Amino acid sequence: NAGVMQNPRHLVRRRGQEARLRCSPMKGHSHVYWYRQLPEEGLKFMVYLQKENIIDESGMPKERFSAEFPKEGPSILRIQQVVRGDSAAYFCATKTGGAETQYFGPGTRLLVL
Amino acid sequence: SQQGEEDPQALSIQEGENATMNCSYKTSINNLQWYRQNSGRGLVHLILIRSNEREKHSGRLRVTLDTSKKSSSLLITASRAADTASYFCATTDSVYNFNKFYFGSGTKLNVKP
Repeated sequence: NAGVMQNPRHLVRRRGQEARLRCSPMKGHSHVYWYRQLPEEGLKFMVYLQKENIIDESGMPKERFSAEFPKEGPSILRIQQVVRGDSAAYFCATKTGGAETQYFGPGTRLLVL
Repeated sequence: SQQGEEDPQALSIQEGENATMNCSYKTSINNLQWYRQNSGRGLVHLILIRSNEREKHSGRLRVTLDTSKKSSSLLITASRAADTASYFCATTDSVYNFNKFYFGSGTKLNVKP
C-alpha cells in the first residue's frame, strides 16, 4: 500500500528553465495540496486541487506557477522560467474527500542555479 | 491570516526529559493537528484534536486545546533522541473552508542523548 509519492526527489535547474514536479496520491485519495517550504521555515500553502479542478490557488504566485490534477495520472506543479528564489522544498499532501488528515509525500528539493 | 505560530522556535533538552511546545492561532477552528518533520523528510501526522475537545493522548504525546485562548500545547514525555525533529501545528477553518490547512512555522526540538 504505497504512500504519497513525489518525483523527482531532487531537481536542479538553471535560471530560465522549467521545473515539473509530480505527485502521485495514495490510492483512493482525490484531494491534493501543494506546499512550499524554505529552509528553516514552515509550510506555505500554494494550491488545493481535486480531480480535474483547482479548488483554491490563493497561495500560488500569479505568474510562472501552475498546477493540475488530471483525471488520469499524477498531479503536476509546473514552474516556468525558474529564478533563484524558487529554490525550496515542495511538498504535496493528499487525502480523501471526507478526511481531516493529510498524508505528505517526501518532497522535491528544487535548486535553481 | 489564520496561520498558527509555535513557540519556542527551538528547544534543546536531555533524553528522558519532557518537551512542551505551544501553538497559537487567530480565528475559530474546526480542529488542530500536530505534525512532525524529520530533517529532509515529509511531514508525519501525530495527533488531531477537535475544537470541542480539551485534551487528547496518544502514547507519549499529550495535546491540550484552549479555544478561549486560541492556543494548543504538545507535550512529549520521556523524550528520546529519535524525537529530534521539527514539530508543526496545523489548523482548519471552522466556517469558511475546512479543507484548507494552515501551518505554523514550527518548533525545532533537539533531544540530546
